Amino acid sequence: EVQLVESGGGLVQPGGSLRVSCAASGFPFSTYAMSWVRRAPAKGLEWVSGITGGGGSKYYADSVKGRFTISRDNSQNILYLQMNSLRAEDTAVYYCAKYVGSGTPRWRFEYWGQGIPVTVSS
Amino acid sequence: NFMLTQPHSVSESPGKTVTISCTRSSGSIASNYVHWYQQRPGSSPTNVIYEANQRPSGVPDRFSGSIDSSSNSASLTISGLKTEDEADYYCLSYDSSNPNWVFGGGTKLSVL
Repeated sequence: EVQLVESGGGLVQPGGSLRVSCAASGFPFSTYAMSWVRRAPAKGLEWVSGITGGGGSKYYADSVKGRFTISRDNSQNILYLQMNSLRAEDTAVYYCAKYVGSGTPRWRFEYWGQGIPVTVSS
Repeated sequence: NFMLTQPHSVSESPGKTVTISCTRSSGSIASNYVHWYQQRPGSSPTNVIYEANQRPSGVPDRFSGSIDSSSNSASLTISGLKTEDEADYYCLSYDSSNPNWVFGGGTKLSVL
């Protein structure tokens, strides 16, 4: 059974940093690309970042480029999102999601974690 | 870059059929696959349609998807509506120019 469990969320002041993690199990982690998707309060889903199975390619939404860094530890089956220079508009529930599909244009999110809240406020 | 536009909300009675549209702002809707997600209150999203008209295992055949190139839009149709279908629905497509993945703004479906 595929499981994705996020951790590390919480309250942080504007301009601060936070790292959220996603522990994966039930599938060959290093074989699959992974992603972070968020949902801000009273708003819709927003794709944040993605990373290939080996970690060699990383993708970012314009809204977080230069501030967020995605990474993965394939020896521990953990996905990370390092968030720096946080803003109020980064307040959201952050979901870890497993990609599926042959070839990048076919990638979609197959499994999702339960989500972890991140609040940016003074 | 393109945007995907969905109606903010739709409502229909149990047993009826509802269609949710997803219109691409620029470029052809057929140029990249469109997927659909359901998010019930308090739950994580789940995939209900992939690659425009394919159903993942376990999704009932009441859910169907299509593409209309004339209106440059994709549609999700849910027939035989049940109260459990009440949720937010999102379309998703890939933007090869960046690259990134673009969600529509979401549609709140009320079944009442």
